Amino acid sequence: EVQLVETGGGLVQPGRSLKLSCVASGFTFNNYWMSWTRQAPGKGLEWVASITNSGGSTYYPDSVKGRFTISRDNAQNTLYLQMNSLRSEDTATYYCTREGRGFDYWGQGVMVTVSS
Amino acid sequence: DTVLTQSPALAVSPGERVTISCRASESVSTGMHWYQQKPGQQPKLLIYGASNLESGVPARFSGSGSGTDFTLTIDPVEADDTATYFCQQSWNDPPTFGGGTKLELK
Repeated sequence: EVQLVETGGGLVQPGRSLKLSCVASGFTFNNYWMSWTRQAPGKGLEWVASITNSGGSTYYPDSVKGRFTISRDNAQNTLYLQMNSLRSEDTATYYCTREGRGFDYWGQGVMVTVSS
Repeated sequence: DTVLTQSPALAVSPGERVTISCRASESVSTGMHWYQQKPGQQPKLLIYGASNLESGVPARFSGSGSGTDFTLTIDPVEADDTATYFCQQSWNDPPTFGGGTKLELK
């Protein structure tokens, strides 16, 4: 059974940093691209970052480029999202997602609240 | 970016057939996927590649379309289908989502 378990969320002040982790199980982690997708409270879904299966290439939308960094440790089956210079508009539930047939598996999500 | 437009909400009675539409601002070929999200839960993949049913998803769900116009059909609708449905395209960069269609049962 595929499982994606995110940790690391919480309340953080504007301008500060936070790092999310996602532990994957139930599939061969290093065969898949992985992504982070977020959802602001009561809003729609927004893709945040993707990383190739080897970790050699990463992709971001303009809204987070230069502030967020996606990375992975294939030996530990773990995906990360380093978020710097956080803004109030980054407040959302962040989902770890596997890229296979679309975003075919999602974690349960972790809440990040950016507020003073 | 490719903008995906969905109707905000629909209300149908159990047993009826419902179609949920998604229109793309530019062609996405068949790179369209559909997700169901129930309150307090993560999204769940229903349809990938415009018309392929994800394993374990009831055959009541189907998808169609190509280019710019896509449809998710539920026939017949059941009470458990109350949820928000999102389309998402992966053909053009960056990947984008529609705003979601909230399906309510009468």
